[in-house]
Amino acid sequence: AQSVSQHNHHVILSEAASLELGCNYSYGGTVNLFWYVQYPGQHLQLLLKYFSGDPLVKGIKGFEAEFIKSKFSFNLRKPSVQWSDTAEYFCAVIALDTGRRALTFGSGTRLQVQP
Amino acid sequence: EAGVAQSPRYKIIEKRQSVAFWCNPISGHATLYWYQQILGQGPKLLIQFQNNGVVDDSQLPKDRFSAERLKGVDSTLKIQPAKLEDSAVYLCASSLSSGRSTGELFFGEGSRLTVL
Repeated sequence: AQSVSQHNHHVILSEAASLELGCNYSYGGTVNLFWYVQYPGQHLQLLLKYFSGDPLVKGIKGFEAEFIKSKFSFNLRKPSVQWSDTAEYFCAVIALDTGRRALTFGSGTRLQVQP
Repeated sequence: EAGVAQSPRYKIIEKRQSVAFWCNPISGHATLYWYQQILGQGPKLLIQFQNNGVVDDSQLPKDRFSAERLKGVDSTLKIQPAKLEDSAVYLCASSLSSGRSTGELFFGEGSRLTVL
């Protein structure tokens, strides 16, 4: 079964700092990859997704992620964070060539941006 | 477009009591999921429905948890009897189709359960 690892549990940054959150998955077949974000008091919402093609995908609010198949990674980046980016970020994977058709989530990274 | 609706938002019960959560997915979404999110962890799938049939319930503790999706729309998740370790947020999500799913899910705000 596939699994997702997020190694950064809690990240604290100052505004304008650059962000990179790590995500690794364990599955050798074809996958779709996602980053979801949960702002304080709000529901989980999609930040960006990778299905195929260009491994560098851009999402909302200036976020981007790069899929590196050889490293089984899908790291999230943002060049300059804002206070409003304070949230919890979840990486998720779906294995397309299995019978299981649900997302598997990582444990999440809590990002705190200080003004 | 209306999102995924869940109720209640909060519930506090004592152990061994029962509780039920309700979910109304986005209109037209054939697939419905229940996830459990324990504090400090990522969401974990409990059960997945395609229309009113179960696709995956391999991680559902069937001795105490049950779920149904009548008429392929609304769904109810029940816990009976509840244990302390069931304290979590129960998330409902929906998507257009699981058969050719891209995996993109739309989540409700969740139902937070506290078991004392």
